[in-house]
Amino acid sequence: AQKVTQAQTEISVVEKEDVTLDCVYETRDTTYYLFWYKQPPSGELVFLIRRNSFDEQNEISGRYSWNFQKSTSSFNFTITASQVVDSAVYFCALPRMDSNYQLIWGAGTKLIIKP
Amino acid sequence: GAVVSQHPSRVICKSGTSVKIECRSLDFQATTMFWYRQFPKKSLMLMATSNEGSKATYEQGVEKDKFLINHASLTLSTLTVTSAHPEDSSFYICSARDRAGAGADQETQYFGPGTRLLVL
Repeated sequence: AQKVTQAQTEISVVEKEDVTLDCVYETRDTTYYLFWYKQPPSGELVFLIRRNSFDEQNEISGRYSWNFQKSTSSFNFTITASQVVDSAVYFCALPRMDSNYQLIWGAGTKLIIKP
Repeated sequence: GAVVSQHPSRVICKSGTSVKIECRSLDFQATTMFWYRQFPKKSLMLMATSNEGSKATYEQGVEKDKFLINHASLTLSTLTVTSAHPEDSSFYICSARDRAGAGADQETQYFGPGTRLLVL
């Protein structure tokens, strides 16, 4: 079975704090991609990152970083020095096996950054 | 690059009418487009996968006669909610895959801004 679990329903931190959003997945695929998307209050989903299961190196993009651990089936997302504009719902996703590029979505984590 | 538009952004209609939502890939050709529905504070629910020039593939539980999908060109897919009822009120989002994307780029879905439908 395939599944994406984002156990944190909502996280609230004060601006400038670091915050980590967890994503745990299940798949029988041996090679796969993992995705993170951001959905701000406007509603549009913004693509953040795509990670290949072959590549376990951490990725950093500005204040964003991702930690992929295949051994624990986790793909966690950290925002350092958070800003109010980071407030959004963040989704982790995994391609469905044997599908036409369809994605399986986590439930999302609502991140609230307080000024 | 990889911009997807959706029109309209908001629509209010009376019960029993039909509503058409357009999804366009503006700077790339999309062999495959996806239609999602999202309820408040919930995750995305895939409704159907739309392939250019062929019939859409609907997810289990989604009525194909209720939600008509047409993918007539490589840049346009439409979703028509027929005989809309208040329970159809929701946020509808489309996404598209770039057919020309190199390797892993083809795996990425790019999303439109969504359409908020309110049926009175």
